[in-house]
Amino acid sequence: KAGVTQTPRYLIKTRGQQVTLSCSPISGHRSVSWYQQTPGQGLQFLFEYFSETQRNKGNFPGRFSGRQFSNSRSEMNVSTLELGDSALYLCASSDGLAGSSKGAQYFGPGTRLLVL
Amino acid sequence: AQKITQTQPGMFVQEKEAVTLDCTYDTSDPSYGLFWYKQPSSGEMIFLIYQGSYDQQNATEGRYSLNFQKARKSANLVISASQLGDSAMYFCAMRDGAGNTGKLIFGQGTTLQVKP
Repeated sequence: KAGVTQTPRYLIKTRGQQVTLSCSPISGHRSVSWYQQTPGQGLQFLFEYFSETQRNKGNFPGRFSGRQFSNSRSEMNVSTLELGDSALYLCASSDGLAGSSKGAQYFGPGTRLLVL
Repeated sequence: AQKITQTQPGMFVQEKEAVTLDCTYDTSDPSYGLFWYKQPSSGEMIFLIYQGSYDQQNATEGRYSLNFQKARKSANLVISASQLGDSAMYFCAMRDGAGNTGKLIFGQGTTLQVKP
């Protein structure tokens, strides 16, 4: 099975711009979660989508939004970029089940975003 | 509130020796899952092992085993016969009870360096 893919892998933007990141989950997985990783804050949960509906949301401002399509692919959008948004954005997919390691999340390679 | 604590920012181990990475957690939910991930310098998070709160036995996956002590709320990762390729950052993570399958809370990570 192909793994989780994320595009683009690297991105440079300037303050005030907006950005859209894309994630394609493992075939058959219906849950897609997004995380932000920075040296200072570590790994922080952004949100989760399951069957096109947002199921969980972390403590991030409304500038961070996402959506999921019927084929389970997901996009994350950040509007009005700030310097502090520079981070590695990781997408993870799972089958959405709670029990056993079947609920494990499998991560993509990430998108490194640099805001200048 | 849920919390994961990894108290070892960095560790060294000699090749072929075993190493234990510490993880303690805090949750009031009786149902939860604990995960360990490996993050090489490339950035991708690799799922290693899972332990459910109701699992009677410690989880094992090849050279990885999880020393689960529920009463002490600890879930230490043991890597046997360390290899140079094990050098990476290791994260302990927790998922709370049923319904929040897509949200993982991560610790700050432990950097492991394997010496030849």
